[in-house]
Amino acid sequence: EAGVTQFPSHSVIEKGQTVTLRCDPISGHDNLYWYRRVMGKEIKFLLHFVKESKQDESGMPNNRFLAERTGGTYSTLKVQPAELEDSGVYFCASSQDRSNYGYTFGSGTRLTVV
Amino acid sequence: GQSLEQPSEVTAVEGAIVQINCTYQTSGFYGLSWYQQHDGGAPTFLSYNALDGLEETGRFSSFLSRSDSYGYLLLQELQMKDSASYFCACPPGGYQKVTFGTGTKLQVIP
Repeated sequence: EAGVTQFPSHSVIEKGQTVTLRCDPISGHDNLYWYRRVMGKEIKFLLHFVKESKQDESGMPNNRFLAERTGGTYSTLKVQPAELEDSGVYFCASSQDRSNYGYTFGSGTRLTVV
Repeated sequence: GQSLEQPSEVTAVEGAIVQINCTYQTSGFYGLSWYQQHDGGAPTFLSYNALDGLEETGRFSSFLSRSDSYGYLLLQELQMKDSASYFCACPPGGYQKVTFGTGTKLQVIP
């Protein structure tokens, strides 16, 4: 089966610009998560979709971040306007609805805001 | 809330054994899991301990002691390709939000 796909793999933008990250989860996985790793630190939760609904968005840093999941398939994460502290690696993960089953992560989008 | 603490870096020799520790504080506990991440790659699920004791998967083993709020990942017969960051996490994933540990960067040297 195809894995979790994210693109772009890298993005360099200027402060104040807009960037949209995309994630295609594994087909059939209802759960989709966004995480972020900043400056080599721990991987921090951003939000969780179940199908097209936001289950938990408690990790979203502020209202400059907007996530959508159209039709319960792929998801986008938009940062508008981007700030320097938004730089990091943004990971998407999907999983089956089983509590003892780990996530399958994508390879991430490395975002650099200059 | 949840917090999971790990040593930031560990260095070990190829062929040796290394143990990466994780101590946690959680308001609710659903087991401890481990993920591996190579630089520039995706975190990969390695193992899950729901109960106390040792779980073995090839060269990797994971241990949990719920009474001590402590677990570890044991890597045997280290190979250069094991150089990566390792994260403990709770819970393992599934339909639940995961809290990751602070991460341990393992460097395997010849």
